[in-house]
Amino acid sequence: DQQVKQNSPSLSVQEGRISILNCDYTNSMFDYFLWYKKYPAEGPTFLISISSIKDKNEDGRFTVFLNKSAKHLSLHIVPSQPGDSAVYFCAALQTGANNLFFGTGTRLTVIP
Amino acid sequence: GEEVAQTPKHLVRGEGQKAKLYCAPIKGHSYVFWYQQVLKNEFKFLISFQNENVFDETGMPKERFSAKCLPNSPCSLEIQATKLEDSAVYFCASSQFGVAVSNWGYGYTFGSGTRLTVV
Repeated sequence: DQQVKQNSPSLSVQEGRISILNCDYTNSMFDYFLWYKKYPAEGPTFLISISSIKDKNEDGRFTVFLNKSAKHLSLHIVPSQPGDSAVYFCAALQTGANNLFFGTGTRLTVIP
Repeated sequence: GEEVAQTPKHLVRGEGQKAKLYCAPIKGHSYVFWYQQVLKNEFKFLISFQNENVFDETGMPKERFSAKCLPNSPCSLEIQATKLEDSAVYFCASSQFGVAVSNWGYGYTFGSGTRLTVV
């Protein structure tokens, strides 16, 4: 049973525009959420995270929004750059647990 | 070193053969985690270690899969009698802390994975 879901397997965006990647979760016990970026033949690398006590966290071009009532989070990348082209994974965990629950990923392609 | 080293990068095994994967965590990291990435990019947590002790094995298949982290050796994940459905990329991650995130910030670093193909 997939507890973290990314329903869009792929997304194409023009360079300079905003990329919005979405993620839904089912387990209300999750209280920390992370986004990872993954290039082919590499491991996932941490991008940005958000605690459930917040609804927004921003780091440069990357912003994560959390809507707890909807059990939904999104990653905004603005402006998008060709180097952002990768697979983005959403992940969630319960405080104190040490294992992550991952979504199935969204492949972002930024077109120059 | 400052990266999690996984070997080999690729491994091909005939069905029924044994497969052994290795992971050298970042120096100073006490925790090691194994994840399996199967079709459709789904990651599945397998097992975690605190030094040489199993910390959480709730994701580990009961049969055929075993893992160890011995002192002064890379950690290993072994699959006895591989099946076609074991084909996946196996990722190892290490952490200084026992959790994926902490008050000190993000804790995990992933290796680049071992692609196991069972034919």
